[in-house]
Amino acid sequence: SQQGEEDPQALSIQEGENATMNCSYKTSINNLQWYRQNSGRGLVHLILIRSNEREKHSGRLRVTLDTSKKSSSLLITASRAADTASYFCATAFSSNTGKLIFGQGTTLQVKP
Amino acid sequence: AAGVIQSPRHLIKEKRETATLKCYPIPRHDTVYWYQQGPGQDPQFLISFYEKMQSDKGSIPDRFSAQQFSDYHSELNMSSLELGDSALYFCASSQGRLGRVEQFFGPGTRLTVL
Repeated sequence: SQQGEEDPQALSIQEGENATMNCSYKTSINNLQWYRQNSGRGLVHLILIRSNEREKHSGRLRVTLDTSKKSSSLLITASRAADTASYFCATAFSSNTGKLIFGQGTTLQVKP
Repeated sequence: AAGVIQSPRHLIKEKRETATLKCYPIPRHDTVYWYQQGPGQDPQFLISFYEKMQSDKGSIPDRFSAQQFSDYHSELNMSSLELGDSALYFCASSQGRLGRVEQFFGPGTRLTVL
C-alpha cells in the first residue's frame, strides 16, 4: 500500500466485545475516512475525521486521530455478528484533488 | 437516498477484448473517482473527474481511458484486456473535489478476464 499499515490485519472477537483497529499513514492529510466492506461487496462509508479533529463518534463507532503520530483508530463497541467485514482507512492528502489512498484493511470476524 | 450506480455489476471478457464500465454519481455530485481493487488488495486510485475535466490520475494503465459526460456520469474504457485486469472496479462520487468531503462508493463492477 502507498499509505501505510493497518493493524491488526485480522481480528476475531466474540459478540458483545469491543474491536479496535489502527491505521497509520505517511504524509500530511486533510482528512481520514473509514470504510467497511463485506466480502467482495461495495465500500460503505462509516465516518470522516478532519485533520483538526481528534475524536469523532457515530453510533457504536468511535474514531480518533493523532496527527503527531500520523495514526488513527476505529473502535467498534458492543460488536455484533453483522459487523463481520473488512475495514479500511483511507486518507485524503492536503494538497490533492480528493483521491483516497487506502490502507491494507483489517478483517474483523465477530463470532455469535 | 440515491446512491452511486454502476453498470454492469458483473462482466466477463476474453484477453485482448475491450470493456466499458459506467458510473452514475449521486445527484448533485460533481466529482467522480475510479478505483481498482484486486483480489485481497486494498482499492487503488485510477482517475478522477471534476466538472467533466480530469482532475487527477493515479496508476491507470495507458490501455484504459475515462471521461465524464455533461450529465456527470462517467465511463471507464478498457482495451486490450489482460488477465491481471480482473478486479473489482469501484466508482465513487462526491460534491466538490478538494478532498474535504466524503466519497460515496458504488457497488462495484466485477470484471473477470479469461
